[in-house]
Amino acid sequence: ILNVEQSPQSLHVQEGDSTNFTCSFPSSNFYALHWYRWETAKSPEALFVMTLNGDEKKKGRISATLNTKEGYSYLYIKGSQPEDSATYLCASTNAGNNRKLIWGLGTSLAVNP
Amino acid sequence: DAGVIQSPRHEVTEMGQEVTLRCKPISGHNSLFWYRQTMMRGLELLIYFNNNVPIDDSGMPEDRFSAKMPNASFSTLKIQPSEPRDSAVYFCASSPQGQGARAFFGQGTRLTVV
Repeated sequence: ILNVEQSPQSLHVQEGDSTNFTCSFPSSNFYALHWYRWETAKSPEALFVMTLNGDEKKKGRISATLNTKEGYSYLYIKGSQPEDSATYLCASTNAGNNRKLIWGLGTSLAVNP
Repeated sequence: DAGVIQSPRHEVTEMGQEVTLRCKPISGHNSLFWYRQTMMRGLELLIYFNNNVPIDDSGMPEDRFSAKMPNASFSTLKIQPSEPRDSAVYFCASSPQGQGARAFFGQGTRLTVV
């Protein structure tokens, strides 16, 4: 994998459903994986930054895992609420001095009340 | 801290005109990024600075685009001459020292070139 890829592109769930989506990234020369939440008409806000294989991070109902060997990360939302509706972006960085974030195109989540 | 501040929030200009977008990063952050967001390509990195020095400008579309960071608290992105295809939302972000440090985004400038 040369680019950061996210799936699915969009997701519609009912309030209360739990959901998850995937980010695939280049595993060679990996340094860090970022998850951002981007609400419409706002700017992206960081959720998590993970660097170590097996890392798990949690923030309220949202959690993320990281597998650097196979190059993927999962984002989980437990008991989705309408306010979780947003685009969820992931981005990776490579080791070295390069701080360039390579972004996926995001997963657009809509939670219906 | 007020966060990353961008101006203007909205800009409408005629094709051929010069456009200057401005960004004030969070104090103490040593990296600054300019992004362009479009429906087709998502979030594209145009250029980023580390300690006021441009590190990677490979994302700058063409010579019509230029960016400067004269000091640690100010950066500009200039488009001259502007074209309708430049219409997009331009985001500035800054991050503190250290790899893996998260980026803090400004509110963006919505540019429309007519």
